[in-house]
Amino acid sequence: EDQVTQSPEALRLQEGESSSLNCSYTVSGLRGLFWYRQDPGKGPEFLFTLYSAGEEKEKERLKATLTKKESFLHITAPKPEDSATYLCAVHDLFGGYNKLIFGAGTRLAVHP
Amino acid sequence: DVKVTQSSRYLVKRTGEKVFLECVQDMDHENMFWYRQDPGLGLRLIYFSYDVKMKEKGDIPEGYSVSREKKERFSLILESASTNQTSMYLCASARGLFTGELFFGEGSRLTVL
Repeated sequence: EDQVTQSPEALRLQEGESSSLNCSYTVSGLRGLFWYRQDPGKGPEFLFTLYSAGEEKEKERLKATLTKKESFLHITAPKPEDSATYLCAVHDLFGGYNKLIFGAGTRLAVHP
Repeated sequence: DVKVTQSSRYLVKRTGEKVFLECVQDMDHENMFWYRQDPGLGLRLIYFSYDVKMKEKGDIPEGYSVSREKKERFSLILESASTNQTSMYLCASARGLFTGELFFGEGSRLTVL
């Protein structure tokens, strides 16, 4: 069964303290892995798509990487405005079109 | 600025009432989705539509129905609301069949008493 697990559930960082969020997945075949950011009371906002192991994408202080079993979202020198819930989702090659499987998310709090 | 707009941000309904959640997108996207989001469970797909009048069941369609009469509008209907349908409902749209880049609305928080 397809599964996406994110860890930790919650993470508290001091401003400037770099860290990583983990997304491990089990799918029959990976069509793509996606990262989203969700602010409180808002819908998720798309960040990155990763298609194959070894691929990396960057945006400001965020860098997403992909291996055959997991993805990491690295946050370098975070600022309070990076506080949000980060969601990971995968698209199974055999799961039917446009069916994404989401993880439960990691709640990130960055304190000044 | 591209947008997915959900008509109601907060609703409170009673058990057994019929509930309509409306969603409109202005990006001319073929695909539209309804998800529910519950703490610790992530987003779960209720229904999606890949064209006008076309729909497909997602993972948790029981107790829900949908309607897509126009390309830009996708409605979620709870025929007889129950307390276990208390949740955050998120509408999304996307272009193309195999994209993970979804554009989400701000959500509708439904409480069923």
